[in-house]
Amino acid sequence: KQEVTQIPAALSVPEGENLVLNCSFTDSAIYNLQWFRQDPGKGLTSLLLIQSSQREQTSGRLNASLDKSSGRSTLYIAASQPGDSATYLCAVYSGSRLTFGEGTQLTVNP
Amino acid sequence: ETGVTQTPRHLVMGMTNKKSLKCEQHLGHNAMYWYKQSAKKPLELMFVYSLEERVENNSVPSRFSPECPNSSHLFLHLHTLQPEDSALYLCASSQVGYNSPLHFGNGTRLTVT
Repeated sequence: KQEVTQIPAALSVPEGENLVLNCSFTDSAIYNLQWFRQDPGKGLTSLLLIQSSQREQTSGRLNASLDKSSGRSTLYIAASQPGDSATYLCAVYSGSRLTFGEGTQLTVNP
Repeated sequence: ETGVTQTPRHLVMGMTNKKSLKCEQHLGHNAMYWYKQSAKKPLELMFVYSLEERVENNSVPSRFSPECPNSSHLFLHLHTLQPEDSALYLCASSQVGYNSPLHFGNGTRLTVT
């Protein structure tokens, strides 16, 4: 059974700092890994999808990497802004389903 | 409207009530999903419909009954719920295939009293 763990559970940083969120998964036989953002009281917004054959994906200030063999992914956020404050969730697609981690709650302080 | 729309946004119901959650997607997708999000727990997949057929029922109690009348609409019928069913219920859609990202609605916050 696939398990996804995200560390840290919560993170607070000053505005402008670069930061890294971590995601690990137990079964490396995945089709892809996805990063989502969730604002309070809202649904999830897809940020990046990395296929199993890829090593990284970039969108603006976000860069996600994937090391399938070690079961790890990182989400790098450059020059963080208060508007980046949200919960970030990692999910891996394996078997026939998407398995989510519990998320990292990020607060960027002005 | 665009995206995935869920109604109602908030719902309070007693344990003997019957209610339904509605989801509508305007993205031309052909797969739809129900997820449950409880505090301090990962999202739990409840049901998957692919091309209007239910392809996954993740051991969900029978007091939750999904319905997918067409590729744009998805319902979750609720009956005789328990207080532990209180959660955020999220609907999502995608194209069939594992490399299509999911698009989520804003959810229905359900409270069972």
